[in-house]
Amino acid sequence: SQQGEEDPQALSIQEGENATMNCSYKTSINNLQWYRQNSGRGLVHLILIRSNEREKHSGRLRVTLDTSKKSSSLLITASRAADTASYFCATADMEYGNKLVFGAGTILRVKS
Amino acid sequence: DAGVIQSPRHEVTEMGQEVTLRCKPISGHDYLFWYRQTMMRGLELLIYFNNNVPIDDSGMPEDRFSAKMPNASFSTLKIQPSEPRDSAVYFCASSRYQGTEAFFGQGTRLTVV
Repeated sequence: SQQGEEDPQALSIQEGENATMNCSYKTSINNLQWYRQNSGRGLVHLILIRSNEREKHSGRLRVTLDTSKKSSSLLITASRAADTASYFCATADMEYGNKLVFGAGTILRVKS
Repeated sequence: DAGVIQSPRHEVTEMGQEVTLRCKPISGHDYLFWYRQTMMRGLELLIYFNNNVPIDDSGMPEDRFSAKMPNASFSTLKIQPSEPRDSAVYFCASSRYQGTEAFFGQGTRLTVV
């Protein structure tokens, strides 16, 4: 399968705690992206990290990429109840014309 | 811009009927994607277009599925005849360049009974 895999499948934390989600993939990539999906809604782009970058920050989000291990992590600091959603990684797969391939997602629940 | 617009938001149809889903991408985006999301299979890319031309339809599950993009501002995904296993949420997305940030519509929740 081309799909990446996220872990954990589900994560439940208290408001104010940090949440870390991981993504592994199998092929060579141009970039890796993270998306959020609230229940019943479309996906929303969060952050993109290129294959030659190792770390990127955006507000409370921190993304790392290790191309040697074909893995990425998304850290959400000081989580809020509004962060409750599903989070997906997507890889721009160089072997398939840079089309976006999505992982299965991590369901994050932040309890207030 | 209003974002990617999909219609209808919900569709309930009987097995064997034809279903047409519609999408208006963001103006200026050269790429349009159709995805299907189910609990079992996650988010699957069905087909994508570049400048209105279908580039990769390897994800289209069967000949019952077809997609068109007659112009830069409109695309359709048609299922004929529909089957209960086609029940899913279908998303349309667009992007300016291949492999860059994709903007998703709100999706069409299809239920085939």
